[in-house]
Amino acid sequence: QQQVKQSPQSLIVQKGGISIINCAYENTAFDYFPWYQQFPGKGPALLIAIRPDVSEKKEGRFTISFNKSAKQFSLHIMDSQPGDSATYFCAATDAGGTSYGKLTFGQGTILTVHP
Amino acid sequence: SAVISQKPSRDICQRGTSLTIQCQVDSQVTMMFWYRQQPGQSLTLIATANQGSEATYESGFVIDKFPISRPNLTFSTLTVSNMSPEDSSIYLCSAEQQTYNEQFFGPGTRLTVL
Repeated sequence: QQQVKQSPQSLIVQKGGISIINCAYENTAFDYFPWYQQFPGKGPALLIAIRPDVSEKKEGRFTISFNKSAKQFSLHIMDSQPGDSATYFCAATDAGGTSYGKLTFGQGTILTVHP
Repeated sequence: SAVISQKPSRDICQRGTSLTIQCQVDSQVTMMFWYRQQPGQSLTLIATANQGSEATYESGFVIDKFPISRPNLTFSTLTVSNMSPEDSSIYLCSAEQQTYNEQFFGPGTRLTVL
């Protein structure tokens, strides 16, 4: 019940295209859903996050779509650039509950954007 | 956002020895966490480190193997004890800014055990 399932495992997109990464969860207590971007040799960097009281959040070229009834959320990267090539992780936690902020991570998606 | 540094950035150790990893945050935070990441894999939470109390360990991780200290609101250490090659991994600390529940990560410590 604590799992977060992420797909696809890898994704190849042409420059200027849209990258879409999906995550699904089971624990209905989860109430905070961040996305992290990780470059080789670096720690994960917080990219964007959403709470279940909204269905969409946009920051620049990055958008999270959230479907509470389906227990799914996704990351859309518009106008993908070669510099976006990295590993992306979705995560979830019940920030206000007993998990005290402990993040459960998805398996990760390796994004490659070709020039 | 909080800026987190870790020392060492990488190390190569002999089996049976111990290594202490330091994590420093540039601001006071309530919650700090330690994760392990195998190369090419996702992150697995080892333990939660709160100032003034004992660390809380996740299933599969024990205090004797991964003792943690949290002496103040900006610093924590993780020790990997009696190391074996299976402990070779990247160890990451993170800190949560409670106001926004945003969690930030350090750059990681890449450990290789021979």
